Amino acid sequence: GGIITQTPKFLIGQEGQKLTLKCQQNFNHDTMYWYRQDSGKGLRLIYYSITENDLQKGDLSEGYDASREKKSSFSLTVTSAQKNEMAVFLCASSKTVSNERLFFGHGTKLSVL
Amino acid sequence: GEKVEQHESTLSVREGDSAVINCTYTDTASSYFPWYKQEAGKGLHFVIDIRSNVDRKQSQRLIVLLDKKAKRFSLHITATQPEDSAIYFCAASRNNNNRIFFGDGTQLVVKP
Repeated sequence: GGIITQTPKFLIGQEGQKLTLKCQQNFNHDTMYWYRQDSGKGLRLIYYSITENDLQKGDLSEGYDASREKKSSFSLTVTSAQKNEMAVFLCASSKTVSNERLFFGHGTKLSVL
Repeated sequence: GEKVEQHESTLSVREGDSAVINCTYTDTASSYFPWYKQEAGKGLHFVIDIRSNVDRKQSQRLIVLLDKKAKRFSLHITATQPEDSAIYFCAASRNNNNRIFFGDGTQLVVKP
């Protein structure tokens, strides 16, 4: 089996700060995703990447950048943290882009003071 | 775009009883319907899925039903156990497209 590792587990930022979240997978999966989960809500797609160096915008990409420099890693940057923002960011991967099950990391919990 | 709605935000059952979680979707082109489970402080974990070429699928104590005409699908957990307690998310996507749209989740509590 494989694992998805997200770092850090907890991230506290200041308003206006640029913050980077990292994700690594050892499944050798082609496709990776970043989702945002707000309390009591489902997941919303921020960015996904079909393969190394590919980037596709999701439904919530404004205010974020992403980078897929290696097949195994996918990073997400919050370009300017919003005051009182609180959410969990979940990274996931799948073997291909075509209707395959997703494997998730444990999440990075973001709090902005 | 697609909108997936989960009808129950919370569901409480007694151990051994069945639990049913219902979802509806809007996009008639959706053809893949996975279910995920989230335990406290963890990411989502795949539990079962169904594709539009069938209307029922079973894996041990989990049964998924799909009614394409009504754009409705449901997860049935039989003989519930305390370890089934978690948040369950339904989702939908089109064929050859892994843009998956999630419902808001159902908190299932199984009481001993």
